[in-house]
Amino acid sequence: EIVMTQSPATLSVSPGERATLSCRASQSISSNLAWYQQKPGQAPRLLIYGASTRATGIPARFSGSGSGTEFTLTISSLQSEDFTVYYCQQYDNWPPLTFGGGTKVEIK
Amino acid sequence: EVQLLQSGGGLVQRGGSLRLSCAASGFGFSGFAMNWVRQAPGKGLQWVSTISNSGGNTYYADSVKGRFTISRDNSRNTLFLQMNSLGAEDTAVYYCARVSSPLGSSAAGYWGQGTLVIVSS
Repeated sequence: EIVMTQSPATLSVSPGERATLSCRASQSISSNLAWYQQKPGQAPRLLIYGASTRATGIPARFSGSGSGTEFTLTISSLQSEDFTVYYCQQYDNWPPLTFGGGTKVEIK
Repeated sequence: EVQLLQSGGGLVQRGGSLRLSCAASGFGFSGFAMNWVRQAPGKGLQWVSTISNSGGNTYYADSVKGRFTISRDNSRNTLFLQMNSLGAEDTAVYYCARVSSPLGSSAAGYWGQGTLVIVSS
């Protein structure tokens, strides 16, 4: 099973600043990685797939990078609606499909 | 517009059964694999099961294998999850999700609204 590890668990950032979230896979997953945003009481929303491709309708301030075992989600200028939880997920080697434990982005 | 409308959650006693449904609309249902993903209260996302577009291939998390059964009716554009022998550890919000490939090796771009399953002792 591929273990996905996200860091940090909580990230404190001021509005307008940049946020950098990390996701590490326990073995290479090529670029088969997705990022999701989840707001309280809502279903997850796909932000990025293929490690770096924005999903339809996702603002350009969200970007993804990385391949192999190290991945990054960058939010270039945090807006109020961006303060929530983010998950990475691998779909390279499965079953099982595996998610990271999540990173909560909070207001500093 | 792609829509996934879930139903069937609720309160069930330990050892009981429940069947979740996910009615799809706005896309060619038979062309895409589907996932079930759950989230225990205050916890992260956990993959539960995947079914290929035709229903010919099914996959399960070890924690539900032998107790849960995923199925689909492409004539009714509906996905199901039959859950048996439920335990407290199955208490969660369950989401259905559509991936962008027929077999499942892709991200989930569309999600249902979620349905809460509570297993009481």
